[in-house]
Amino acid sequence: ILNVEQSPQSLHVQEGDSTNFTCSFPSSNFYALHWYRWETAKSPEALFVMTLNGDEKKKGRISATLNTKEGYSYLYIKGSQPEDSATYLCASPNRDDKIIFGKGTRLHILP
Amino acid sequence: EAQVTQNPRYLITVTGKKLTVTCSQNMNHEYMSWYRQDPGLGLRQIYYSMNVEVTDKGDVPEGYKVSRKEKRNFPLILESPSPNQTSLYFCASSFSRTPPYEQYFGPGTRLTVT
Repeated sequence: ILNVEQSPQSLHVQEGDSTNFTCSFPSSNFYALHWYRWETAKSPEALFVMTLNGDEKKKGRISATLNTKEGYSYLYIKGSQPEDSATYLCASPNRDDKIIFGKGTRLHILP
Repeated sequence: EAQVTQNPRYLITVTGKKLTVTCSQNMNHEYMSWYRQDPGLGLRQIYYSMNVEVTDKGDVPEGYKVSRKEKRNFPLILESPSPNQTSLYFCASSFSRTPPYEQYFGPGTRLTVT
């Protein structure tokens, strides 16, 4: 994998259901993995910064895991609420100092 | 209040007319970066700066210039804007490029070049 890739591109989830989506990144030259939440008409806001293989981070109903050996991270949302509707971005800073973003997963929570 | 500010927030201009989008942060951050966001392409890094007087190209630097004369400011300069630079631009900063420091984003500048 040369780029940061996210799947799915878009996701519709019923309110109250749990969901998850994926970020894949180059496992060689790994430095860190960031997750951001981006609400419409606002700016991206950081959720998690992860660096170690096996890392798990949690913020309320949102959690993330990291596998640096195989190059993926999962973001989980438990009991989705309407306020979870947003685009979720992952980004991989590399040792060349650049930061590569995925194209995001757009999450829609259905009432 | 800790923040990243950008000005202007909205700008409509014509091809070839030089413009500058300012970015300022009040958090004493070392790392600053400019991104453009286009539908279907996600956020792409234009330029970044690791510290004062240190700038480097991101993935899409063509047609842009930056400077970092002071730690807090990182202006984006379009010397001769063209319609393909119509986009939503974000400035971001972080304490350092090294983990575990996340980026803080400005409110965005929506630029239209006709």
